[in-house]
Amino acid sequence: GAGVSQSPSNKVTEKGKDVELRCDPISGHTALYWYRQRLGQGLEFLIYFQGNSAPDKSGLPSDRFSAERTGESVSTLTIQRTQQEDSAVYLCASSLTWTTSSYEQYFGPGTRLTVT
Amino acid sequence: AQSVTQLDSQVPVFEEAPVELRCNYSSSVSVYLFWYVQYPNQGLQLLLKYLSGSTLVESINGFEAEFNKSQTSFHLRKPSVHISDTAEYFCAVMDSGAGSYQLTFGKGTKLSVIP
Repeated sequence: GAGVSQSPSNKVTEKGKDVELRCDPISGHTALYWYRQRLGQGLEFLIYFQGNSAPDKSGLPSDRFSAERTGESVSTLTIQRTQQEDSAVYLCASSLTWTTSSYEQYFGPGTRLTVT
Repeated sequence: AQSVTQLDSQVPVFEEAPVELRCNYSSSVSVYLFWYVQYPNQGLQLLLKYLSGSTLVESINGFEAEFNKSQTSFHLRKPSVHISDTAEYFCAVMDSGAGSYQLTFGKGTKLSVIP
């Protein structure tokens, strides 16, 4: 079946512009995560959605970052007034609910964001 | 908060030689442990995981990792590497009681297998 998809694959934007990144999780996966991977660094957790529960936003680095999810489907990550330090690969992952005890997160290919 | 340390950023090794990629995590609370692999120009894939039970877990392509609670480690090993194992390997930890199931990742280890 289809895996996690993300769009665009690459995005170049000017400093100060807003960008929107999209994630389509695996069908049936209720949990969705956003991570950021800056050059030479590990992945940093940004935000987590689980069904209709309030999202865990504890990883968002500033109020310029926000994310939404429509039900158990598509999610968008928005970065307002982009800064050069926002340049990174943004990864989305999805997983089944915790009740399945699988805990495996399936990752998308990522969106490479470059802020000039 | 959890932190994960992968001491080696790059590991070159000759083909058919053994390899160990080290991973230590910070917290002694109940955790789940994972190794993810990223092959060149591909996305992250789960290699193996420890949730409970036997502390030695294996992958389908010959890697194994052992959970050591006293040393808070989850080192990845393979007795004989192949060229196709060239990739970046990430260790990750999840607090089993945290509720949000976020993963905390190490910075990754680039394994280069030399013919």
